[in-house]
Order: sequence, then C-alpha cells, then structure tokens
Amino acid sequence: DAGVIQSPRHEVTEMGQEVTLRCKPISGHDYLFWYRQTMMRGLELLIYFNNNVPIDDSGMPEDRFSAKMPNASFSTLKIQPSEPRDSAVYFCASTPRGGDADTQYFGPGTRLTVL
Amino acid sequence: RKEVEQDPGPFNVPEGATVAFNCTYSNSASQSFFWYRQDCRKEPKLLMSVYSSGNEDGRFTAQLNRASQYISLLIRDSKLSDSATYLCVVDFQKLVFGTGTRLLVSP
Repeated sequence: DAGVIQSPRHEVTEMGQEVTLRCKPISGHDYLFWYRQTMMRGLELLIYFNNNVPIDDSGMPEDRFSAKMPNASFSTLKIQPSEPRDSAVYFCASTPRGGDADTQYFGPGTRLTVL
Repeated sequence: RKEVEQDPGPFNVPEGATVAFNCTYSNSASQSFFWYRQDCRKEPKLLMSVYSSGNEDGRFTAQLNRASQYISLLIRDSKLSDSATYLCVVDFQKLVFGTGTRLLVSP
C-alpha cells in the first residue's frame, strides 16, 4: 500500500497567489482529514470529509481557505489569496472509520512558505 | 486554557535513562487518548493508545488519570532512536493534538 500521498511536498509562493494542495487517501478509507501544523499552534484540524462529504469545517481559518473532495481518491485544499501567516506544514490523513486515532494515517505533508 | 497542554521541552537525557512526559487536557468528557511520535520533518505516527488501566508496550508505558485530567508517557532504557517529538492526543468529537514534547537522547 502506498499510504497517503500528498503533493507538492514543498511549495514556495508569493503573497496574494493561489495555492492548491493535493491529497490521495489510502484506498478504502472513507474519512479524510486536513491538518495544519505550526510551531506556535501545533497540529490543528482544518476540515474532514466522510464519503466525500464535508462534515466539519469549523477549523478552516477563514474564507480564503476552501477544500473539496470530488471523489473517494482525491481531495484538494485551496488558499486564495495566500498570506505569509499561512506558512505551515499541511497534512492530509485518512482512516477507514470515524476518526479513530489508532487507525489514522498521515501523509508526508506539504511544507508551504508564503513570502 | 489550551485543550491539550504539554511541556515543549526539550528533554535532554543520556542513553539508558528513564524519562517521563505529562500532558493535561481540559475537557473532562474526552473519551480516548493517544500518544503520537513525530520525527523531524516527518508526519505524526501513532505510538500507542492510552487506556484507563494503563498499558505497556515494551519500553513504553502510558497511563491515564481521569480525576486529574492528565496522561503520561514513560520511556525506559532510552535509545538514540527515541529522539523525536511526542504528541499527546485527546479525542472528544474530534482529535485534538498537543504541541508536543521534544526528546533528545544523547550517547
């Protein structure tokens, strides 16, 4: 099994640009999570999907952030326009059940730097 | 008050030492508890679940104190490879991660 796949692994962009992060969950997992990690705030849940439907997006910081899951094997997290404070590592994770931490698998993350 | 609080460290210990981390949580209705390990520039990975009765996995022992709302992780006979950040995770409707405790094991 390839595990959770994220792309790009690194992204450097300028303030105001649109950024799109991509995630492919583990096949057969029906929950997908997007997290953001910073030194100050640690790992924060942004949004999660169940069977491609967004369930809880209360962690999405503001309207500049949006996430979609058009099918069971693909999700995107978009930031438009990006700001320097969005610089962080963004992780995608998937589980075969309802968010159980003992079955949650993280992708390698996307390290985003907004200049 | 943060939902999950950890001492950021770093904890610097020599090989073979015993080291313990604590983590406090604010929501008394939290149902499940876990320790994750995160290596530098890597993704978090589950280390172990924490059960009410306490549980052990080799050199690692986790304990839960619901009355005082804290969980602990004890590592015996530390190895160089134990150097990492240890994240405390509490599950109440969603997973809430602590900011982590950094451990450095030196020769």
